[in-house]
Formats: sequence, structure tokens, C-alpha cells
Amino acid sequence: AQSVTQLDSQVPVFEEAPVELRCNYSSSVSVYLFWYVQYPNQGLQLLLKYLSGSTLVKGINGFEAEFNKSQTSFHLRKPSVHISDTAEYFCAVTRAAGNKLTFGGGTRVLVKP
Amino acid sequence: GAVVSQHPSWVICKSGTSVKIECRSLDFQATTMFWYRQFPKQSLMLMATSNEGSKATYEQGVEKDKFLINHASLTLSTLTVTSAHPEDSSFYICSASSTGVIGYTFGSGTRLTVV
Repeated sequence: AQSVTQLDSQVPVFEEAPVELRCNYSSSVSVYLFWYVQYPNQGLQLLLKYLSGSTLVKGINGFEAEFNKSQTSFHLRKPSVHISDTAEYFCAVTRAAGNKLTFGGGTRVLVKP
Repeated sequence: GAVVSQHPSWVICKSGTSVKIECRSLDFQATTMFWYRQFPKQSLMLMATSNEGSKATYEQGVEKDKFLINHASLTLSTLTVTSAHPEDSSFYICSASSTGVIGYTFGSGTRLTVV
């Protein structure tokens, strides 16, 4: 079985400052990793995913994440946040196509002007 | 890109009645559908997984007779909350995937309020 830990439940950040959201996972097998964003009363939108290859993954809206196998981490970063980035962010893993996703507890990002 | 249409986006029903939530994949074949429940300020909790044409597999602790899932076609899955009670009030989200594709498309969610 796999598990996901998002180390920060809330991250306040000033507009135009960088942000990093931490995600660690545990699994006995190789996994595929995802980051999703959720705005209030909406579903989840995919920011980026790691399947294989380059460990630095670029996503939408200026986000990127780095897969670190030795540290079993998949941290999400953005160099300069906007007010519109205020949302809930979820890290998730799965071990195979079509298998269920295992989600972390979420990180709430609050961007302050 | 892949789109999953979920409706209604919100519904208010009386205690004891049933509510049906639909999820449709608009431009791909959803061979597997996942149904989640989300409480305020919490993560998503998987309720069940359904493969087209098969009975759904429910997670431990989820009442299958209360949360009826139908996945009769490759583009439509429904979740029916039967005999709803106030404690069933929650945000319900569906997610779809296709065979061999490593990716999941989420619906926009349904806010259910039982009064």
C-alpha cells in the first residue's frame, strides 16, 4: 500500500513571493505522482504529473515539481505566486494506470497582497 | 482535453429522499470511475471504484446499499444516495480514467445538502 504526506496543512505567502509545497510518499513499488489544485466548491484540476523520465516536471500556471526517488518526495514550487493561486493543493500517487489515487491531506495556500 | 461533466453542481433534498448524481465523460471512454466524498477542509475520501459493466468495489466502511453506483456505459456513471440523512451532506466528486492511460479527469463536484 502507498501513502502520501503533505507536510504543511497551510502555507501563507505574499503575492509575488515563491512558494514550495512539500509532498512525501511511501510505497514498496514504483509510483506515478500528481499534483492537483482545487478552488472552492470545484473539482480537482491537474497541475502536473510525473510518470517517468526527467525528474523536473513543469506544469500549468507556472508550477513545477521535482521527483526525488531517494527522498521519496515530490515537492511543488512556483517562483512567484498570484492572488489567484489561493486554493487547496493535493499531492497524489498511484502505482498503475487505472488504479485508485491515494491523496495527501492537502495544503491550503493563502496568497496575501 | 478530457472533460467530465458532473451534475447537479448542488442539490438540496429532504431527509429520507434519494438523490442521483451523474458523471459523464464527454470526449473519452471512462473505463473506470471513482467516486469520492469530501468534508470541509479535508482531503478526498474514496468511496468506490467502478468499471464499466461491472459491480462497483466499495471501500471499507462505505454502505453499498446506501450509495448505489451504476456504470452501465463507457460515458456515464451515477451515484445515488438513497434515503438521505443530514449526515450524508457533503461534497461528492467523480473521477474517470481510461484503460492504459495514466491520468484522471475529475468532475466539478456536487454539493449535497440534506435538510
